[in-house]
Amino acid sequence: TQLLEQSPQFLSIQEGENLTVYCNSSSVFSSLQWYRQEPGEGPVLLVTVVTGGEVKKLKRLTFQFGDARKDSSLHITAAQPGDTGLYLCAGVAGANNLFFGTGTRLTVIP
Amino acid sequence: NAGVTQTPKFQVLKTGQSMTLQCAQDMNHNSMYWYRQDPGMGLRLIYYSASEGTTDKGEVPNGYNVSRLNKREFSLRLESAAPSQTSVYFCASGLNNALYNEQFFGPGTRLTVL
Repeated sequence: TQLLEQSPQFLSIQEGENLTVYCNSSSVFSSLQWYRQEPGEGPVLLVTVVTGGEVKKLKRLTFQFGDARKDSSLHITAAQPGDTGLYLCAGVAGANNLFFGTGTRLTVIP
Repeated sequence: NAGVTQTPKFQVLKTGQSMTLQCAQDMNHNSMYWYRQDPGMGLRLIYYSASEGTTDKGEVPNGYNVSRLNKREFSLRLESAAPSQTSVYFCASGLNNALYNEQFFGPGTRLTVL
């Protein structure tokens, strides 16, 4: 089992604030994914980062893959209530090997 | 397209009862997966099927069996349910790409074992 630790576990912020979620592991991954999950639904893929040091932007969300391919971060600028949800990172270690992090539950208060 | 569908959405069992969770996908994906999600533990892989006719164990296979009925359908069976199997179960499908391995999830089945 390849463990991915996410921090913080819970985050409650006011609308308009910025935040960063971290995903750390001692294992090296081929690539790393971020999913968002809303209550009562399955996770939905947001992004896949492939190259060490890669930065991808998706509107107000910025994803970074660590140089050593062991860690990643998700930064949200000017958070909105629609960003509320459970954010999961997942490390890809070959076909059919996807290891999920422990999750960060974000609440954005209007 | 419906994507990945799961039935039932909710289920309550008594210890020792059996049941089968159904999953179907209409995206022509080769690979299908069963995960369980427990608070504070993320998603853990139970079983997966890389292609029609094959199944393999994941991280937590004990107490479960699976059947890949055809390319579209992948079922999960609990032969004798235990309270430790109370969880939310997700089915997923994907293209089995070693680098991207993007997976698409169903809405989940919430199972309670009393």
